Amino acid sequence: GAGVSQTPSNKVTEKGKYVELRCDPISGHTALYWYRQSLGQGPEFLIYFQGTGAADDSGLPNDRFFAVRPEGSVSTLKIQRTERGDSAVYLCASSLSGQGAYGYTFGSGTRLTVV
Amino acid sequence: EDKVVQSPLSLVVHEGDTVTLNCSYEVTNFRSLLWYKQEKKAPTFLFMLTSSGIEKKSGRLSSILDKKELFSILNITATQTGDSAIYLCAGGIQGAQKLVFGQGTRLTINP
Repeated sequence: GAGVSQTPSNKVTEKGKYVELRCDPISGHTALYWYRQSLGQGPEFLIYFQGTGAADDSGLPNDRFFAVRPEGSVSTLKIQRTERGDSAVYLCASSLSGQGAYGYTFGSGTRLTVV
Repeated sequence: EDKVVQSPLSLVVHEGDTVTLNCSYEVTNFRSLLWYKQEKKAPTFLFMLTSSGIEKKSGRLSSILDKKELFSILNITATQTGDSAIYLCAGGIQGAQKLVFGQGTRLTINP
């Protein structure tokens, strides 16, 4: 597509529930990134995919968070047993391979609210 | 631990003023310094700097990097209300793809 698309744009869920957040990167971008931005903070790195594989998942906070990219395009971030502290804007970005240090294109994010 | 610190955290000025936003960084294997503008949710790319002392300019915005002092500034001249946003600074790492972001500067331009 023309830009990075994220759905849903807003998600409200109850504590303890499971959620999935979707990201559709720019066509031809093999690198895909997930970041989390809490209120008043800058984006915080979660995970980076190169193609289908997670090349760096060092930012995932715990094992309740998991992400997949089975066909090397669309990615899904999955959060199990959600907690109120998971409330944040989840940003996805994409770039050409190996170009991450030069900046990437972000999507509009999913605002997750856990009540 | 890699760290990027921005100042001020918040700034309110009048339309037409000139502002300077600051970014200091401690990034192992530093590769690049990036500036983004965030108005709603999606950060949009402004500048990428890799060399010291070379100013990058786009209209009323300009930025420069000092790799000796580990510092960058973003200048906005003749500010307009449309410049109101959060400005994010990020460090890029050699051999890695993630960016390390600062906490942002919230800039408000009053008419």
